[in-house]
Amino acid sequence: AQTVTQSQPEMSVQEAETVTLSCTYDTSENNYYLFWYKQPPSRQMILVIRQEAYKQQNATENRFSVNFQKAAKSFSLKISDSQLGDTAMYFCAFMGYNAGNMLTFGGGTRLMVKP
Amino acid sequence: DVKVTQSSRYLVKRTGEKVFLECVQDMDHENMFWYRQDPGLGLRLIYFSYDVKMKEKGDIPEGYSVSREKKERFSLILESASTNQTSMYLCASSSPHPGQPQHFGDGTRLSIL
Repeated sequence: AQTVTQSQPEMSVQEAETVTLSCTYDTSENNYYLFWYKQPPSRQMILVIRQEAYKQQNATENRFSVNFQKAAKSFSLKISDSQLGDTAMYFCAFMGYNAGNMLTFGGGTRLMVKP
Repeated sequence: DVKVTQSSRYLVKRTGEKVFLECVQDMDHENMFWYRQDPGLGLRLIYFSYDVKMKEKGDIPEGYSVSREKKERFSLILESASTNQTSMYLCASSSPHPGQPQHFGDGTRLSIL
């Protein structure tokens, strides 16, 4: 079974600065997908970024980018130019290629952006 | 945009009651999922369904059942609610194509007294 670990339960960052959230996972599969989801205080979980394991290029979405290290089984999220609206719980999630789109989630990191 | 709607945002029930949590999606997705979210534990999968009348157990199915009579609707049932089922419940849906993300509802915060 896959496991996903987020080692930072809470983090804070000053507005306009950069912050990196860590995620490691354990799997014996070679093809899979990785996701970062954001859950603001209003609670709806929304997709931030998606990475396909067979693509070496790191995914980026505007101010959000990932550092995907397949050999190390690491998938960190970098948020540049942090904004107050980035305050949220962030969840890292793993999806096996033939897993029927089931997700395995990490425990989450609570990020506070300070003015 | 995909819309996943959960029937209640807050719900308070008593121990022993039968509780129904409803979820409806409007994107004709085959896959639907129910999770519970607890601090420090992330989201844990309770049940999922790949099609109408199909259901599969997730990681923590004990004390729960589900129903999927129509493609757009996936119901979670607590047969006899207990205090340890107090939690946030999240519903999600996705297309069946590999790697497609799940889309989530707003969640239902359920308290069992």
